[in-house]
Amino acid sequence: EDQVTQSPEALRLQEGESSSLNCSYTVSGLRGLFWYRQDPGKGPEFLFTLYSAGEEKEKERLKATLTKKESFLHITAPKPEDSATYLCAVGMDSSYKLIFGSGTRLLVRP
Amino acid sequence: EAGVAQSPRYKIIEKRQSVAFWCNPISGHATLYWYQQILGQGPKLLIQFQNNGVVDDSQLPKDRFSAERLKGVDSTLKIQPAKLEDSAVYLCASSQGFGAFFGQGTRLTVV
Repeated sequence: EDQVTQSPEALRLQEGESSSLNCSYTVSGLRGLFWYRQDPGKGPEFLFTLYSAGEEKEKERLKATLTKKESFLHITAPKPEDSATYLCAVGMDSSYKLIFGSGTRLLVRP
Repeated sequence: EAGVAQSPRYKIIEKRQSVAFWCNPISGHATLYWYQQILGQGPKLLIQFQNNGVVDDSQLPKDRFSAERLKGVDSTLKIQPAKLEDSAVYLCASSQGFGAFFGQGTRLTVV
């Protein structure tokens, strides 16, 4: 069965305390892995697309990496405005089907 | 470029009533998704359209949910009759290839 698992469910950090979020997957025909940010009351906002193992993408304090079985979202020196839920999704086969994990709720305290 | 538009933003209905949600995708996007997001969970795919054809509706509760995409552009999602467990945010997304873009969602409360 196709599955996407994110950990931890929730993460509390002090401002400036770096950490990583994990997204592991078991799917057939992986065509891409996507990271989204979701703020309360809003739709998910697209962050990164990763297509192949070894690929890395960066945006401000965020860096996403991909292996054959999992992806990491590294947050370096986070700020309170980075507080949000981070969602991971995998794109499958040629139908552009997208399956999401349950997300990691990140809280960065000043 | 205009984003994905959804309406209404909020809806409160009684159980057993019907409700409809509307989505206008980004212009030119062939793929349209409807997701259900229950509080504290990730989005769950309900139905996926490619132009006006259904690609995947395996998790759509077809006894009460229906969706259509007329002329391969706008889409509506309907629930009839609603149950308490249908309380959730209903998200519409569109894409041209991979990397879907989402609307703000419709928050449905069934009382």
